[in-house]
Amino acid sequence: GAGVSQSPRYKVAKRGQDVALRCDPISGHVSLFWYQQALGQGPEFLTYFQNEAQLDKSGLPSDRFFAERPEGSVSTLKIQRTQQEDSAVYLCASRRTREGGETQYFGPGTRLLVL
Amino acid sequence: AQSVTQLDSQVPVFEEAPVELRCNYSSSVSVYLFWYVQYPNQGLQLLLKYLSGSTLVESINGFEAEFNKSQTSFHLRKPSVHISDTAEYFCAVSEVRIKAAGNKLTFGGGTRVLVKP
Repeated sequence: GAGVSQSPRYKVAKRGQDVALRCDPISGHVSLFWYQQALGQGPEFLTYFQNEAQLDKSGLPSDRFFAERPEGSVSTLKIQRTQQEDSAVYLCASRRTREGGETQYFGPGTRLLVL
Repeated sequence: AQSVTQLDSQVPVFEEAPVELRCNYSSSVSVYLFWYVQYPNQGLQLLLKYLSGSTLVESINGFEAEFNKSQTSFHLRKPSVHISDTAEYFCAVSEVRIKAAGNKLTFGGGTRVLVKP
């Protein structure tokens, strides 16, 4: 079956530009996560959705970062006025239920480079 | 809050030799434990996980990890590696909570395994 997909796979943005990153989770998955992975580091949590509700946004680094999942399926992570420190791989993961022991399935990531 | 430490950033190993990747965690509550693998140019894939019960868990491709609560460790081992095991390995934890806003994963910094012929 289809896994988690993300688009675009690569994005180059000029500093100050707004970007939008899309995540298509596995169909029917209740939970959706966004993570940020800087070069040479492990992924770090950004935000969590349960269906359409954003229940945890404690990892968003600034108010320039905004995420939504309006119909409880596709999610978009938006970064306004991008800065060089935003350069990273942005990973989306989905999970079938709310249960913490269930597996999170990751997409291939969007590699963002801010010049 | 929890944290994860992977003590080795890189581990070179010869084909058919054993390998151990170390993972230690810190948490004030009980945790679930995971190992994810990232092959070159691919996304993160679950390798194995510990939820409860037997402290030794195994994957289908020969890896195993043992949960040690007293040492707060979850080291990953394979008795004989193949070239195809070249990848980056990430240890991760999530808190066991009844009311949880997501049970987010907290990852270590990763260990890059390079299997040499």
